[in-house]
Amino acid sequence: ILNVEQSPQSLHVQEGDSTNFTCSFPSSNFYALHWYRWETAKSPEALFVMTLNGDEKKKGRISATLNTKEGYSYLYIKGSQPEDSATYLCASRVDSNYQLIWGAGTKLIIKP
Amino acid sequence: DSGVTQTPKHLITATGQRVTLRCSPRSGDLSVYWYQQSLDQGLQFLIQYYNGEERAKGNILERFSAQQFPDLHSELNLSSLELGDSALYFCASSVGSGIAKNIQYFGAGTRLSVL
Repeated sequence: ILNVEQSPQSLHVQEGDSTNFTCSFPSSNFYALHWYRWETAKSPEALFVMTLNGDEKKKGRISATLNTKEGYSYLYIKGSQPEDSATYLCASRVDSNYQLIWGAGTKLIIKP
Repeated sequence: DSGVTQTPKHLITATGQRVTLRCSPRSGDLSVYWYQQSLDQGLQFLIQYYNGEERAKGNILERFSAQQFPDLHSELNLSSLELGDSALYFCASSVGSGIAKNIQYFGAGTRLSVL
């Protein structure tokens, strides 16, 4: 059974603080790692897709790193703002199947 | 706006009934994915179609079926509905299939309530 694990399950962060959370995925037969942001009452939106070991992606105050050898990715948010409040999902394609295996998400709440 | 259209937005029905959820993918996207999100659960992959053919199957019940039509829109059919089928059903689309960087674009979802 292929599992994608995300930690922590939820996170409360003070506005202005930086934070990070983890996505763990099977490292064998790795193809790609996706990060999505899911705001309440909206639908998930793609943030990053990474395929190579050591990949780093950045979008504004949000960045992500990838370690395919040990099977983890970190998502970093610098200087958290209230609009960063959302559930952050990661998903991995780890074999020749075409579907993504999704983590349960990290729910981030920014306290003003 | 992701460009993926799902109808209806809300659906209320009774146990034992059958419903059809519809999804129109982004222009040019050949792959359609269906997901279920039950209360306090993450996204559960149901099924994927690529250019009219079933490509991957997840935790889809036998009471559920889907298809993708020549114009690439897709329908998810849910039959013999049970209370536990109440959930938010998302459709997503992507350019192709089997591409590592295949970003999925999600529709707004159909909220199904089975009473």
